[in-house]
Amino acid sequence: AQKITQTQPGMFVQEKEAVTLDCTYDTSDPSYGLFWYKQPSSGEMIFLIYQGSYDQQNATEGRYSLNFQKARKSANLVISASQLGDSAMYFCAMREDINAGGTSYGKLTFGQGTILTVHP
Amino acid sequence: KAGVTQTPRYLIKTRGQQVTLSCSPISGHRSVSWYQQTPGQGLQFLFEYFSETQRNKGNFPGRFSGRQFSNSRSEMNVSTLELGDSALYLCASSFSGTSGQETQYFGPGTRLLVL
Repeated sequence: AQKITQTQPGMFVQEKEAVTLDCTYDTSDPSYGLFWYKQPSSGEMIFLIYQGSYDQQNATEGRYSLNFQKARKSANLVISASQLGDSAMYFCAMREDINAGGTSYGKLTFGQGTILTVHP
Repeated sequence: KAGVTQTPRYLIKTRGQQVTLSCSPISGHRSVSWYQQTPGQGLQFLFEYFSETQRNKGNFPGRFSGRQFSNSRSEMNVSTLELGDSALYLCASSFSGTSGQETQYFGPGTRLLVL
């Protein structure tokens, strides 16, 4: 079974409008982390935002916010006031935590990605 | 701080050859992870090194190996290259901050083409 599902292969948004990119996940681990990365055509993966499974509040980082609905196992990315430079591939990823010595780490499992195109 | 650097950025090899890719993490980061990205399989985890020890491993054949040096720089090696090894290889470094959780920061990747 897919651990991370991104159901939107492509999304279009008008400049200055908000857009939501969907992500659902599947895990039975109580401790996990959810991440969003942006990958422009150059290939580099840029970290955007993180949400821990025990975090009570939704994460926000500037124009990015993560709509975390734990019971529904969803972690949607909301980009407010879209800019032309936001056009890129967006990946949702999950880390099923390995907890050791006060540190949470582990491999990232990625979804298939959503291509976002921002129109002027 | 300088970001994660990967060398070389582009590489063309022929089947049967071997290749070594290099990754220099962000200063102070002790963990380095490697991922393979292909159009068909997406992003897949290869392995992770922390303090010169392999801490985690994905489901790749033994032709894929890696190591980490005392300065946290890491190399991955692919022996007996196959056409299917053509991919973007991404390296990520991380550290455990005050939050206790590690966020992975990626480099620009090495694009490997196997002919």
